[in-house]
Amino acid sequence: DTGVSQNPRHKITKRGQNVTFRCDPISEHNRLYWYRQTLGQGPEFLTYFQNEAQLEKSRLLSDRFSAERPKGSFSTLEIQRTEQGDSAMYLCASSLLSNTEAFFGQGTRLTVV
Amino acid sequence: AQSVTQLDSQVPVFEEAPVELRCNYSSSVSVYLFWYVQYPNQGLQLLLKYLSGSTLVKGINGFEAEFNKSQTSFHLRKPSVHISDTAEYFCAVSANNAGNMLTFGGGTRLMVKP
Repeated sequence: DTGVSQNPRHKITKRGQNVTFRCDPISEHNRLYWYRQTLGQGPEFLTYFQNEAQLEKSRLLSDRFSAERPKGSFSTLEIQRTEQGDSAMYLCASSLLSNTEAFFGQGTRLTVV
Repeated sequence: AQSVTQLDSQVPVFEEAPVELRCNYSSSVSVYLFWYVQYPNQGLQLLLKYLSGSTLVKGINGFEAEFNKSQTSFHLRKPSVHISDTAEYFCAVSANNAGNMLTFGGGTRLMVKP
């Protein structure tokens, strides 16, 4: 296993379009997190899953955002009706239940034009 | 809720000089503390973490950090930096009952000059 994998690495979309990102965590990691990082800022927590259950959602996660982890393995993050303010790097991380270290993927950079 | 303040947005330093990147946090509960490094267009890599025990923690690439509970600080240090240390550094905290959700500071850009 080579780590947390995110696809695509880059996505350019027109305002109003829907986009979906995928995250494959490290095998056997029970927890999966999504963060958003805008230019020049630190990452901000969006949501996290323990197995297939979504346990926490940030207020940053508006109704246009939805995340799933249907079988407790990979996860998808969908943004509907994208806005220019959605332009950011979307980071995924995973960890074991019994471990406090989260391992991050390389991120998906979204540009809304 | 937790918050993290990184006092310096940029730190320029000459190669082989020592460096300290400052981090202060606030929290009403006990926390774990982390430093991550981010190279351009990359994800985050863990440098070191403080969970409990000795307040001086050593990490990868020669970095170390000291947890100071009374000053609510967790400053990162390296005695001699290399050009390859040029990157963005993030301090982060998680409440130790919060499922590993991290609150990050705004980051410090370390710029190592030859």
